Amino acid sequence: QQPVQSPQAVILREGEDAVINCSSSKALYSVHWYRQKHGEAPVFLMILLKGGEQKGHEKISASFNEKKQQSSLYLTASQLSYSGTYFCGTEERGSNYKLTFGKGTLLTVNP
Amino acid sequence: KAGVTQTPRYLIKTRGQQVTLSCSPISGHRSVSWYQQTPGQGLQFLFEYFSETQRNKGNFPGRFSGRQFSNSRSEMNVSTLELGDSALYLCASSYADPAEAFFGQGTRLTVV
Repeated sequence: QQPVQSPQAVILREGEDAVINCSSSKALYSVHWYRQKHGEAPVFLMILLKGGEQKGHEKISASFNEKKQQSSLYLTASQLSYSGTYFCGTEERGSNYKLTFGKGTLLTVNP
Repeated sequence: KAGVTQTPRYLIKTRGQQVTLSCSPISGHRSVSWYQQTPGQGLQFLFEYFSETQRNKGNFPGRFSGRQFSNSRSEMNVSTLELGDSALYLCASSYADPAEAFFGQGTRLTVV
């Protein structure tokens, strides 16, 4: 079951914050976040394994609500380099080794 | 440390033909996953291999197959190509699961 990401696209000015949400109808074991720039391979940002746990990566952090099967990616004080498409990948309980990605959120950061 | 290498980078094939794509994972990584990326569907999971065993597969027809060799290199094969198979095929390797996956640059397949 493909997770649902929202919003589909967001445009920011440098320095602004953004939140990208990822929701699944299935019980999840883990949530993975990746960023892909145009013409490049996806790059790993972080993995969340426990409910409510937050992970950080520079000014990018994320949370995982295990009970709601939801994860959110927080980008604070955005930089031009944050532009790209963000994908969440979910691993369902009992379906190990299979990462199902959402359709992505296109983030554009303008000067 | 060398990254994930996929060959070839670009392919043009005719409908009905078959194609084989190759993926060399990062040294020491035994898990290799394959994905199909298209503008409309995003990244779709094809299959995952670990130590030459397929541990999971996505919802793709049997025309899509794969294998992994003892050195962890992996290949995927698509037989009887259809126009809809045109896509970027990405492979990713990781040391364990769940863990950070490293993606290759992909193979851009165009079916005409």
